[in-house]
Amino acid sequence: GQSLEQPSEVTAVEGAIVQINCTYQTSGFYGLSWYQQHDGGAPTFLSYNALDGLEETGRFSSFLSRSDSYGYLLLQELQMKDSASYFCAVRGYTGSGNTGKLIFGQGTTLQVKP
Amino acid sequence: DADVTQTPRNRITKTGKRIMLECSQTKGHDRMYWYRQDPGLGLRLIYYSFDVKDINKGEISDGYSVSRQAQAKFSLSLESAIPNQTALYFCATSDFSGGRSGRVDEQFFGPGTRLTVL
Repeated sequence: GQSLEQPSEVTAVEGAIVQINCTYQTSGFYGLSWYQQHDGGAPTFLSYNALDGLEETGRFSSFLSRSDSYGYLLLQELQMKDSASYFCAVRGYTGSGNTGKLIFGQGTTLQVKP
Repeated sequence: DADVTQTPRNRITKTGKRIMLECSQTKGHDRMYWYRQDPGLGLRLIYYSFDVKDINKGEISDGYSVSRQAQAKFSLSLESAIPNQTALYFCATSDFSGGRSGRVDEQFFGPGTRLTVL
């Protein structure tokens, strides 16, 4: 089976840096994605890592270590608007290959305080 | 205009009623998905469709059915609604580009339907 673990809540102050970790267990692996969801809103895609290393997009970066089955989302220069839930996700996999589905973690609620 | 739309946005219904949630997209994507979100449980896949002739069950398909009427339309039905189906429902689309391209995993979500079953 496949499972993902991420912390349920993280709190940080405006202007700080915060890291949201995600560990995964999968029988096959094609990449780790991150999504952001503001309260009650639609999830939106943030980043995708297929290979080891750091991907940077503005204030957000995402890291992957396939050997450790681990990734993280790094948010820099936190702003109040970054208060949201963040989900990691991996592609589903069966013995016959990539299912094309995403399996989501349970989400991390980030609260940014003034 | 929104690329992925869902109707209705909110619905309150009674136990035993049949209800349909509709999703339309103008992105031209072949792949469409229905998810359910409950507090603390993240997004769980109900059904997904890779094209009009291909429909697959997700993690939690019991009590639900779907119809892919066209490339752009994917509807979710609750044949006999029950209170534990009260949740936020999202439709999503994606474009298969193959291989390890980063765009493969980008799903585009609709605004959601908040369903309450009394």
